[in-house]
Amino acid sequence: DGGITQSPKYLFRKEGQNVTLSCEQNLNHDAMYWYRQDPGQGLRLIYYSQIVNDFQKGDIAEGYSVSREKKESFPLTVTSAQKNPTAFYLCASSFRRNNEQFFGPGTRLTVL
Amino acid sequence: AQKITQTQPGMFVQEKEAVTLDCTYDTSDPSYGLFWYKQPSSGEMIFLIYQGSYDQQNATEGRYSLNFQKARKSANLVISASQLGDSAMYFCAMSYSSNYGQNFVFGPGTRLSVLP
Repeated sequence: DGGITQSPKYLFRKEGQNVTLSCEQNLNHDAMYWYRQDPGQGLRLIYYSQIVNDFQKGDIAEGYSVSREKKESFPLTVTSAQKNPTAFYLCASSFRRNNEQFFGPGTRLTVL
Repeated sequence: AQKITQTQPGMFVQEKEAVTLDCTYDTSDPSYGLFWYKQPSSGEMIFLIYQGSYDQQNATEGRYSLNFQKARKSANLVISASQLGDSAMYFCAMSYSSNYGQNFVFGPGTRLSVLP
């Protein structure tokens, strides 16, 4: 089955720790995106990548980092510099211009 | 700058009735796409419908239709014959070209509650 997987579904982190969220897609999509969603809010773009080994900051990139070493994978690291990381994180991919984004099931990150 | 506005934070509709969720957009890009997504309480984002900026006809997908008024820059979602399972958050989104390729912007969402 083609799709996007995110792991883990729930993640708990202590303050001051870095944590990496996984995002994998087997849809052969070139573009991949990371969004953050706070309760009752819309989606805010963290980082996005249109091709392998290249990515761009979105609206709220501070305290986050990404890599795109493979077309299928776009992991997001939430660093200790992110002051308020507790949120729902969604990964998405799209094939080409004006095609819809396909979303993963999301990861809920809670900082203890 | 590209922007999506959804002015209805919450909407109520009676089961089996139709409901319209508003969306207006702002872009100077002549080529763009408009999307609606549904987000149930589980958190997954479900693609509902797409309208291209050059499409002459309004998009329809089953009970969903998109009322596209280009001159007014509006892309309202119409859900006919509402069902209890339609209760969810609904997001309007737009794809546009940036210096770095395709990008997306989402609206703040509308929470739809279907009443039995």
